[in-house]
Amino acid sequence: DAKTTQPTSMDCAEGRAANLPCNHSTISGNEYVYWYRQIHSQGPQYIIHGLKNNETNEMASLIITEDRKSSTLILPHATLRDTAVYYCIASGWGKLQFGAGTQVVVTP
Amino acid sequence: DTGVSQNPRHKITKRGQNVTFRCDPISEHNRLYWYRQTLGQGPEFLTYFQNEAQLEKSRLLSDRFSAERPKGSFSTLEIQRTEQGDSAMYLCASSQNRITGELFFGEGSRLTVL
Repeated sequence: DAKTTQPTSMDCAEGRAANLPCNHSTISGNEYVYWYRQIHSQGPQYIIHGLKNNETNEMASLIITEDRKSSTLILPHATLRDTAVYYCIASGWGKLQFGAGTQVVVTP
Repeated sequence: DTGVSQNPRHKITKRGQNVTFRCDPISEHNRLYWYRQTLGQGPEFLTYFQNEAQLEKSRLLSDRFSAERPKGSFSTLEIQRTEQGDSAMYLCASSQNRITGELFFGEGSRLTVL
């Protein structure tokens, strides 16, 4: 699995968009970019994944650069319930290797 | 509830005792994963099964750890002769056997070794 780099923490105002960056400069052609989040004391929750194209679902949007060396997870209208640790993972199919993630705190 | 179920949710034990955790995956999922998570860290991969076959084990899984999935349904993770360093959250996840790798996690079993 390719190594990913994320900021340790970031704050976001409620109602605003949260843009979470991730670097994965060594990603290989068959590795997907996955985003998970973990709310305190719960198991990780899948958010979204992509290979090359930008993706959007009911939770978030994923923007992957053309060279695939970085990506951004966008939470369009952050709420207090979005406070969590967000993990960016670059991996082929099968097991996922989690890093330390980004602690996102949404403030009123 | 059709999610991943883990039991017990909390376990406190004395050093040297054996403990066993159980995971019931989502019924149609044939892949099952075990992870360990300590405070402030992301989940660390331990092992995974496809049906009843254990396909990969991490170097983190010492000889004191054993995982089984005898009929390709539920799985157990046993820790023998527990040590204080085994204190952690043990997470189970399941997925369908498909290339996109979306995992569904349970709530975890928290182990405290005194």
